[in-house]
Amino acid sequence: SQQGEEDPQALSIQEGENATMNCSYKTSINNLQWYRQNSGRGLVHLILIRSNEREKHSGRLRVTLDTSKKSSSLLITASRAADTASYFCATDDNYGQNFVFGPGTRLSVLP
Amino acid sequence: EAQVTQNPRYLITVTGKKLTVTCSQNMNHEYMSWYRQDPGLGLRQIYYSMNVEVTDKGDVPEGYKVSRKEKRNFPLILESPSPNQTSLYFCASSYRGAGNTIYFGEGSWLTVV
Repeated sequence: SQQGEEDPQALSIQEGENATMNCSYKTSINNLQWYRQNSGRGLVHLILIRSNEREKHSGRLRVTLDTSKKSSSLLITASRAADTASYFCATDDNYGQNFVFGPGTRLSVLP
Repeated sequence: EAQVTQNPRYLITVTGKKLTVTCSQNMNHEYMSWYRQDPGLGLRQIYYSMNVEVTDKGDVPEGYKVSRKEKRNFPLILESPSPNQTSLYFCASSYRGAGNTIYFGEGSWLTVV
């Protein structure tokens, strides 16, 4: 069953604006990861945040994790048209063995 | 180069004709998994494997079989494909345990008519 749920389902912004996507999950986790998918292609790993971390940065990406609210957010700053893609969060299952993906957020960055 | 390779990438087949989608990884990963992706439904896990000879059902295993005889290969078998199995399929692999990056293949577009 899907553990992570991204929000919103779709997001449309202008180039240069920031994009924020959220992920909520149901049970406790060890790690949460964000992935990106260009249309019809395989998913590519963006960033991982561990349950004892609250914030992590990688280039224009900023991820936060609030384990008390069971939620994470992915912020893409100064977005570009090339950031247009679907973004998924992935959490480990109760046993820390398997990975479960949410349904994703479709981001469109308009030039 | 680290790779997850799926074949075929594109296939149109007929109802009931058995087919196999192969998946191979060159990273010595213990964990491998199959997903299907349909519009509006995101990624749904079909089967996964934590190691050789160890497989488990995901969320949507009906109509599919898998095997893990070797560490590098994890084929997906559709014994009697039906039109509702028309989908985009992804194979993925990772080192075992949470916190490891999951590597995805490029996907296999399967159409069953």
